[in-house]
Formats: sequence, C-alpha cells, structure tokens
Amino acid sequence: GAGVSQSPSNKVTEKGKDVELRCDPISGHTALYWYRQSLGQGLEFLIYFQGNSAPDKSGLPSDRFSAERTGGSVSTLTIQRTQQEDSAVYLCASSHLWQSNTGELFFGEGSRLTVL
Amino acid sequence: QKEVEQNSGPLSVPEGAIASLNCTYSDRGSQSFFWYRQYSGKSPELIMFIYSNGDKEDGRFTAQLNKASQYVSLLIRDSQPSDSATYLCAVKRDSNYQLIWGAGTKLIIKP
Repeated sequence: GAGVSQSPSNKVTEKGKDVELRCDPISGHTALYWYRQSLGQGLEFLIYFQGNSAPDKSGLPSDRFSAERTGGSVSTLTIQRTQQEDSAVYLCASSHLWQSNTGELFFGEGSRLTVL
Repeated sequence: QKEVEQNSGPLSVPEGAIASLNCTYSDRGSQSFFWYRQYSGKSPELIMFIYSNGDKEDGRFTAQLNKASQYVSLLIRDSQPSDSATYLCAVKRDSNYQLIWGAGTKLIIKP
C-alpha cells in the first residue's frame, strides 16, 4: 500500500483481556516506531525497530506490553491483561533509516483502544 | 518540567491573520526541531523542520529557532480554516533517532 496501515482502527475490550495491534509499514522502510497518544498528551515512545538490529524497548510501560516485527516488515504490538489506563490511540510510524535520523516519520491512522 | 512544552490552546485566530505557535524545550543538546500537523482523528504529518538558528520559510509557513532561548515557533500567514488542527512540536538530538514530543497546540481558524 501507499502508506502505513494499522489495524484494527478501533478496538473495545474488557479489562484483563489481551489485545493485538498490527502495523504494516511502507514498503522498504527499515525503521518502525510504536507510539501511544492519550487525550491531550504528546506522543509517548514505546518501541523502535531498525532492520535486523535489536529493538529499543525502553519506552514499553510494563511487561504486559510486547512487540514483534517479523521479516523486517509487519509489526504486532501485544498488550496482555489490559487495564483501563491502557486506553489510548496507538500510532505506528515508519521511515527509511536516514529519515529516522532526520526526524521525518510517516504515521499510520492509529488504533484506538478502549478498555472497559 | 516537561522536556518539550507547548500551550495546549485552543488558539483561535481569524481567517487571514497570522497564527503564531510556540514551543520550548529543556535539552540544550537538541539539534533538530520539527512541526507536525495532526487533524482531528488523523495521524501526524510533518510540515516543517529546522536545524539552524533563524527563520525558515516554506510557503505560508515560517519556522523560527532560537537555541540560546530554547524555543522554536511556527508562524502561519494568511491562516485558512483548513489550517485548523493540532500542531505538535518535536525535538531530537542528532545522535539519537528518538523524537521528544510536545502535547500539541490546538489551532482554530475562524472564518
């Protein structure tokens, strides 16, 4: 596709359930970021993948959060035992390596997660 | 103190006027500065970046950077209703791929 694709666009779940959010980056982009955006807040960095390098997981808020990137392309963010404070929009962004160095990121439309 | 601070707004500006958006940052090691626009319910998109002190113009948009005072601003001339959005400021150290984001300023252009 032409842009970063995320699914689902909306997810409503019950507290304690696990959820998976998917990101399909722009073809050829080696850098992939996950961010979380809560109402009225800036983008909170979660995790960064670059090619085959070990991901930077320093932004993951707890061990309930994990992410994978298979084959250097599609990424899945998993949240286990969801809590109400996990409710937010989860944004995925991708770029070429040199663009991540220059700060130009291409974002998906986001996955809005609501935990009841 | 937040690393990147913006007035949350909303900032209301009449159509045709100049909208001025401000951002301050705390890390003196920051080298690159970005303005992203985010329409309601949509994803952020890059509209301007600036690396050097002074002004950078692109069409109706001007980014201004003052590293000594640690602020960066975005001016939008001849504001249009389509400029109504939240404007996110982000900063980066050159040695790091991470962007540090402000919470954004909501701009409303009134016809």
